[in-house]
Amino acid sequence: QVPLQESGPGLVKPSQTLSLTCTVSGGSITRGSYYWSWIRQPAGKGLEWIGRIYTSGSTDYNPSLKSRVTISLDTSRNQFSLNLNSVTAADTAMYFCAREGAGGKGDYWGQGTLVTVSS
Amino acid sequence: DIVMTQSPDSLAVSLGERATINCKSSQSLLYSPNNKNYLSWYQQKTGQPPKLLLYWASTRESGVPDRFSGSGSGTDFTLTISSLQAEDVAVYYCQQYYSIPRTFGPGTKVDIK
Repeated sequence: QVPLQESGPGLVKPSQTLSLTCTVSGGSITRGSYYWSWIRQPAGKGLEWIGRIYTSGSTDYNPSLKSRVTISLDTSRNQFSLNLNSVTAADTAMYFCAREGAGGKGDYWGQGTLVTVSS
Repeated sequence: DIVMTQSPDSLAVSLGERATINCKSSQSLLYSPNNKNYLSWYQQKTGQPPKLLLYWASTRESGVPDRFSGSGSGTDFTLTISSLQAEDVAVYYCQQYYSIPRTFGPGTKVDIK
């Protein structure tokens, strides 16, 4: 088991930066060939892949969000983080962190954290 | 981006009956050098994160009941629940991991008739 847990503010004001952290338990975040990902889901809607970071620190982002997204790794705390700037109401969603394992399968997911963008 | 579509949007099946969900991709997910289809299926129950059911289009994740099976290749894929159980009520998503960005289908809601 590789429990993942998202944390961060549940309410963010428009135009500000959404910052979330995913804490990984059950093993070092740098062990193995894994990508650590962020996915979001507006209420009642489908899943949108935001981006991922490899254990080396290299990143891939969804082009639709690339200009606003940064994903980073904190190996000392076994965490990875999401920053999404200039948020609007359209960024209101449940945000999940997940591990992308061998061959691209998303084998472990956090429970998700709801972020609302509102003044 | 690879666009994923699913059909139907929803279906209701009697307990013990078969449920079939279709997924199409806008381009082939078959990688010829290893002959693998870069497609996963997920199950999401209300209030829970998605759970991986199948990867490589047809390989069951550890612990997934064998009533769940996947088939297809290239651009057309199918998830079959051979004998629907009450605990299978959920939304099912296909996802391609052939290229970046990863993309998901819109989901198919499965209910009991």
